[in-house]
Amino acid sequence: SQQGEEDPQALSIQEGENATMNCSYKTSINNLQWYRQNSGRGLVHLILIRSNEREKHSGRLRVTLDTSKKSSSLLITASRAADTASYFCATATYNTDKLIFGTGTRLQVFP
Amino acid sequence: AAGVIQSPRHLIKEKRETATLKCYPIPRHDTVYWYQQGPGQDPQFLISFYEKMQSDKGSIPDRFSAQQFSDYHSELNMSSLELGDSALYFCASSYSGFNTGELFFGEGSRLTVL
Repeated sequence: SQQGEEDPQALSIQEGENATMNCSYKTSINNLQWYRQNSGRGLVHLILIRSNEREKHSGRLRVTLDTSKKSSSLLITASRAADTASYFCATATYNTDKLIFGTGTRLQVFP
Repeated sequence: AAGVIQSPRHLIKEKRETATLKCYPIPRHDTVYWYQQGPGQDPQFLISFYEKMQSDKGSIPDRFSAQQFSDYHSELNMSSLELGDSALYFCASSYSGFNTGELFFGEGSRLTVL
């Protein structure tokens, strides 16, 4: 990956359980975003957290950012089978608006 | 609401042929990005355009070129295709005035090189 790694690479859980995905990056960032991708489909924006924020919530999603460790985590609470997808973190730096994606986590939620 | 439109959705080409992918951004969006995603890989940034000018360049091969037209649609031209060019190609758009950083992605164009 151009920017960093996500772990785990794959995660299988039962409906109702929580799913936590981690992302590490290499450079200083302006913001970090999480995207979801169903197999073979386009990427859908989930949530954005700015470099001066430490935690953000959106529905069942909770994102944390630790700029000192250059890492972020995405927590999906009370998972559903429909949450099955790949999840990517992506970072934006200050001098450009392009996004650099991490390697992604494949989440499988079993009914 | 209108989304990013990409065409064609699927494309099959032979080695050494040429392919052109088109992208129609969300109305009023002024910035277009192109990404390449190989099987099981993360999306790799290729190139971006802001107000019809190239704004950033990533890992785009010299065999590829792109431009953004006066109506803000963009085209990615790929020549001398190689087997390794087989991938999903995504276009994304954004509006600089929002300053939200969010990109809106199309459904992608799947290129298969035989």
